[in-house]
Amino acid sequence: AQRVTQPEKLLSVFKGAPVELKCNYSYSGSPELFWYVQYSRQRLQLLLRHISRESIKGFTADLNKGETSFHLKKPFAQEEDSAMYYCALSQRNSGNTPLVFGKGTRLSVIA
Amino acid sequence: KAGVTQTPRYLIKTRGQQVTLSCSPISGHRSVSWYQQTPGQGLQFLFEYFSETQRNKGNFPGRFSGRQFSNSRSEMNVSTLELGDSALYLCASSIRGPTTDTQYFGPGTRLTVL
Repeated sequence: AQRVTQPEKLLSVFKGAPVELKCNYSYSGSPELFWYVQYSRQRLQLLLRHISRESIKGFTADLNKGETSFHLKKPFAQEEDSAMYYCALSQRNSGNTPLVFGKGTRLSVIA
Repeated sequence: KAGVTQTPRYLIKTRGQQVTLSCSPISGHRSVSWYQQTPGQGLQFLFEYFSETQRNKGNFPGRFSGRQFSNSRSEMNVSTLELGDSALYLCASSIRGPTTDTQYFGPGTRLTVL
């Protein structure tokens, strides 16, 4: 069964400090990993997907198959990064399969 | 482009009643997914419709059902409501599906069951 674990419910960092939001997954096949974000009073939206290998708003995430992790990182946190972050997984190369979401981590960036 | 819209935004029902929620996807999007969000369980997948066919289904009882119309609008229905059905119900649309394309979420319908 697929499972996504985000071990931290809340992460507080100071502005300018590095950020790492942890995501571990359990899946025996080839995964497709995503990070979604929800800013205050806004809709849930896609932040990035591992297959794109892109940096969005300074965030990057690398898939580590050995550690089954997909941690989200940013070198210097900004106040506007404060939001709820969700890691999600689906099956790769199996057409369109449902996303399994982690329970989320609330990031609070302190000025 | 207009975003994903959901109606109603808030709903209060009593146990045993049934409810229908509506989702209008972004124009051109053929895939609509539904999720239940609760503080305890987080975001859980309910089902996905593509071109009027249910393509995937989550692990929810048969009281939860849905359908999609030819214009891609989707409805979900919950019959015989239970207190535990109180949640935020989110729908999301994408062109072909959430794995291959960006999924856009609606604002949600907040259902309270008394």
